[in-house]
Amino acid sequence: NAGVTQTPKFRILKIGQSMTLQCTQDMNHNYMYWYRQDPGMGLKLIYYSVGAGITDKGEVPNGYNVSRSTTEDFPLRLELAAPSQTSVYFCASSYSHTGTNYGYTFGSGTRLTVV
Amino acid sequence: KQEVTQIPAALSVPEGENLVLNCSFTDSAIYNLQWFRQDPGKGLTSLLLIQSSQREQTSGRLNASLDKSSGRSTLYIAASQPGDSATYLCAVRPTSGTYKYIFGTGTRLKVLA
Repeated sequence: NAGVTQTPKFRILKIGQSMTLQCTQDMNHNYMYWYRQDPGMGLKLIYYSVGAGITDKGEVPNGYNVSRSTTEDFPLRLELAAPSQTSVYFCASSYSHTGTNYGYTFGSGTRLTVV
Repeated sequence: KQEVTQIPAALSVPEGENLVLNCSFTDSAIYNLQWFRQDPGKGLTSLLLIQSSQREQTSGRLNASLDKSSGRSTLYIAASQPGDSATYLCAVRPTSGTYKYIFGTGTRLKVLA
């Protein structure tokens, strides 16, 4: 049972480049999330999904896009990278069913630097 | 708007001490509260999850309590060890709005040998 797997672990991008951060989970969780973590700022929600084909914006969605074509995968796309997007990105998943809400499982993160 | 606060931001204690980390939240309408541990440069590891109907959860040397009405949770660590050094974050899941957790900014704990 791998849990939540994120790739790559590290990446350096030049300003204006694009990339996709991959996230996959094998726990059949219906909810998936993307967060960014900046030093001393806590975690900020970028996008989330409550199931395949359904996505919605979080607190800081500008400059990002997501898709959820399957239950397992939730890639995060950065278009036209900017230095402000230098951060650590975490993918998480959780399961909720008929009023019972389970906790988050996090991936190990992707450390992105935009230069 | 739900806000989560963790005080202190940093804490140093000698090995063997029992310690308490605090988490407060402004809106008591939550499904549950989760405590995480984050080691430097690493992801978040779930420690304990407390549902809104529960008062506490225990795992080994860790005990988390929840007082929903007063908007408080504590994480108690017994007989602290240098390996407990990490940042501890709490997060609440509101009942209203979307399905996301709201995170505190964490308490950075250092246990001195």
